[in-house]
Amino acid sequence: DIQMTQSPSSLSASVGDRVTITCRASQGISNYLAWYQQKPGKVPKLLIYAASTLQSGVPSRFSGSGSGTDFTLTISSLQPEDVATYYCQKYNSATLTFGGGTKVEIK
Amino acid sequence: EVQLVESGGGLVQPGGSLRLSCAASGFTFSSYSMNWVRQAPGKGLEWVSYISSSSSTIYYADSVKGRFTISRDNAKNSLYLQMNSLRDEDTAVYYCARRPFDAPNDYWGQGTLVTVSS
Repeated sequence: DIQMTQSPSSLSASVGDRVTITCRASQGISNYLAWYQQKPGKVPKLLIYAASTLQSGVPSRFSGSGSGTDFTLTISSLQPEDVATYYCQKYNSATLTFGGGTKVEIK
Repeated sequence: EVQLVESGGGLVQPGGSLRLSCAASGFTFSSYSMNWVRQAPGKGLEWVSYISSSSSTIYYADSVKGRFTISRDNAKNSLYLQMNSLRDEDTAVYYCARRPFDAPNDYWGQGTLVTVSS
């Protein structure tokens, strides 16, 4: 089974900072990588799919990159409403695997 | 508007059973594969099960294989998860989620809480 490893598990940054979260797959998954945002007490929301394609309605400060085994989610200018836990997910097959999550807080 | 509404959660004793339902609306349910995903309190997301649009292909996470059964009724626009031999570690919010072809889960329900405790 393919494992997805996210880092860091948590981070604290100031409003306006550039934030980067990484996700590594234990085997190559091409670009079958999605990122989700889950705010406290809320349902996960799809942010990015195909590693770098922004879901409709998602602010342009979010971006994704990578292919194969190494992927990155970047928030170009952190906003207070971005406080959430972010998950990567591989979907190159019917079975899905999520990363462990990255909790983003405001410093 | 796409809507997924789960129901059937509740408190059950270890070893007990529960059947979750997910009512779909706002899209052609029979054209989409579906997933169940769960989240234990304070923990991350865990994929539970997958069913193709015609029910011809089904997969389970190892943690639930042999105990849970996914099914769907396209005539009723409904997805189900029959959970047997429940364990403490099955305590979680259970979400149903739509899975477009060659794409990740795009719409999720609000979730239903299952608590396994004596």
